[in-house]
Amino acid sequence: DQQVKQNSPSLSVQEGRISILNCDYTNSMFDYFLWYKKYPAEGPTFLISISSIKDKNEDGRFTVFLNKSAKHLSLHIVPSQPGDSAVYFCAARTSGNTPLVFGKGTRLSVIA
Amino acid sequence: DVKVTQSSRYLVKRTGEKVFLECVQDMDHENMFWYRQDPGLGLRLIYFSYDVKMKEKGDIPEGYSVSREKKERFSLILESASTNQTSMYLCASRWTAGEAFFGQGTRLTVV
Repeated sequence: DQQVKQNSPSLSVQEGRISILNCDYTNSMFDYFLWYKKYPAEGPTFLISISSIKDKNEDGRFTVFLNKSAKHLSLHIVPSQPGDSAVYFCAARTSGNTPLVFGKGTRLSVIA
Repeated sequence: DVKVTQSSRYLVKRTGEKVFLECVQDMDHENMFWYRQDPGLGLRLIYFSYDVKMKEKGDIPEGYSVSREKKERFSLILESASTNQTSMYLCASRWTAGEAFFGQGTRLTVV
């Protein structure tokens, strides 16, 4: 049973516009959420995280929103740039020393 | 800067071979992980380790084993490689809290 779901396999956005990537989860015990970015033939790199005590976290062009009641989080990228084209993975974990659970990823294409 | 280094970027092995994938981290992280990434399936956890000589099965441990004899090194072993183990293998490490840091990945092809 998939605990972290990214229902959009791909997304295409014009350069300069906002990219919104979505993620849903089923495990109500998750309390820490992360987004990773991955280029082909490279390992994922950490982008931004949010703990369950917050509903928003910002870092430059990247903002993550968490809606605990809906078990939903989203990553906003503003403005989108061609270099943002990559696969984005949503991940979550419960408290304590537990592994990250990943979604299947969304491929973002930013068109110049 | 945290560095997680995987021993090979690309590897081609024959069916039935025993394969070793090595991962080394330089940040004294307690936790280390092996994932594999396949198209449409995301990252799936194979094994992880909380400390030296400790290991825990992840979601897809069948056909794999691991070894952690030193804190900085976590090895993934394919006992008898099969074509369905062709994949991108990703090693990661982290402290007890916070984000995990990934290596550059090993693209393994089993022929």
